[in-house]
Amino acid sequence: EPEVTQTPSHQVTQMGQEVILRCVPISNHLYFYWYRQILGQKVEFLVSFYNNEISEKSEIFDDQFSVERPDGSNFTLKIRSTKLEDSAMYFCAEGTGSTTGELFFGEGSRLTVL
Amino acid sequence: SQQGEEDPQALSIQEGENATMNCSYKTSINNLQWYRQNSGRGLVHLILIRSNEREKHSGRLRVTLDTSKKSSSLLITASRAADTASYFCAPISKTSYDKVIFGPGTSLSVIP
Repeated sequence: EPEVTQTPSHQVTQMGQEVILRCVPISNHLYFYWYRQILGQKVEFLVSFYNNEISEKSEIFDDQFSVERPDGSNFTLKIRSTKLEDSAMYFCAEGTGSTTGELFFGEGSRLTVL
Repeated sequence: SQQGEEDPQALSIQEGENATMNCSYKTSINNLQWYRQNSGRGLVHLILIRSNEREKHSGRLRVTLDTSKKSSSLLITASRAADTASYFCAPISKTSYDKVIFGPGTSLSVIP
């Protein structure tokens, strides 16, 4: 079964720096999501993306965050000015858009903000 | 979408024993899914049960669904050390294409 690929697997950055996390989609998937998991906590929804626009976003997804899918290729999450509390695992998830709603997750990108 | 509540929060068993996890939810669903997360890894979809089904099997996994009680259970038979992970249920509402909301999960430890 095709896998969802995320890059980088681990990124260390200084507070205030911009970070871009990438997800390589599976070809027939139409719905894209970003989730976050702070160490020891539950997996939290950040944003959903369909047809090149945000479908829904959580309270966590503030103005520091943005998503895009340039040229219909990689799905990216950008954090403009990282904070210490942004340190977490970020998971990309994708779905076909079928009514079952099954999601396929990447292995995650671990972000460490110093 | 809605969040499922898994119970117990933590479960520790010996290898070879069966593990049962429960999930409760609040509003009507189209289907309910179970996911597994190994420590530090991405979530993996395990099994899906539709609202008109009562039981479903996949290998060593058995899922039941009781829509009248708004509850589901996941049974892992003959557990292995490799089953050590967190398990999450995801109730999917009739208005699908929606985000999946994950609860705190059940942390399963299988002791060799």
